[in-house]
Amino acid sequence: EAGVVQSPRYKIIEKKQPVAFWCNPISGHNTLYWYRQNLGQGPELLIRYENEEAVDDSQLPKDRFSAERLKGVDSTLKIQPAELGDSAVYLCASSLDGGSKAKNIQYFGAGTRLSVL
Amino acid sequence: AQKVTQAQTEISVVEKEDVTLDCVYETRDTTYYLFWYKQPPSGELVFLIRRNSFDEQNEISGRYSWNFQKSTSSFNFTITASQVVDSAVYFCALTQSPFYNQGGKLIFGQGTELSVKP
Repeated sequence: EAGVVQSPRYKIIEKKQPVAFWCNPISGHNTLYWYRQNLGQGPELLIRYENEEAVDDSQLPKDRFSAERLKGVDSTLKIQPAELGDSAVYLCASSLDGGSKAKNIQYFGAGTRLSVL
Repeated sequence: AQKVTQAQTEISVVEKEDVTLDCVYETRDTTYYLFWYKQPPSGELVFLIRRNSFDEQNEISGRYSWNFQKSTSSFNFTITASQVVDSAVYFCALTQSPFYNQGGKLIFGQGTELSVKP
């Protein structure tokens, strides 16, 4: 079974430029998460989707960050415009929640390392 | 508020030594889950274990063992006979479970960087 796939792995941009990250969750997983991990820190949640609905976006800086999960599968996280402080690793995770087969375990992708110059 | 503390920032051991990674958590919830993840240099967080708040039994999986003590709000992780391949950053995490079988955000500790030298 394929794991969570993220692209690109690395991205270098200049400040004020836009950037987008893509995530393909594990097949059948209904919940998708975007986390940001700063250097030397643990990941912090940006947004959580249950199917197509964003159920927790309280920590998403909505002035410059946006996310979507069309058709409840793939997801895209966008930053526009990027700032120097946005340099971090952006991690996507997915889990199967609810129902008799729920595992409630989040499986992570390898992340996208963003450098804003 | 929920919080996870991993007081050990870095640990260095020699291969075959045993090592324990500490994790202390804070939560007001009566139902919650605790996790350990491993993050090797490749960057991907690898799931190791999940424990719910009602299950205080210790668990052993090969060279790995976990000790969960609600009385001290701790969930410590021991690697027996460490190997070079165990070198990674290890994260302890907590999530609340408002509804049975529903997911929630993970609250991570700062991580402990383990270096196992040959």
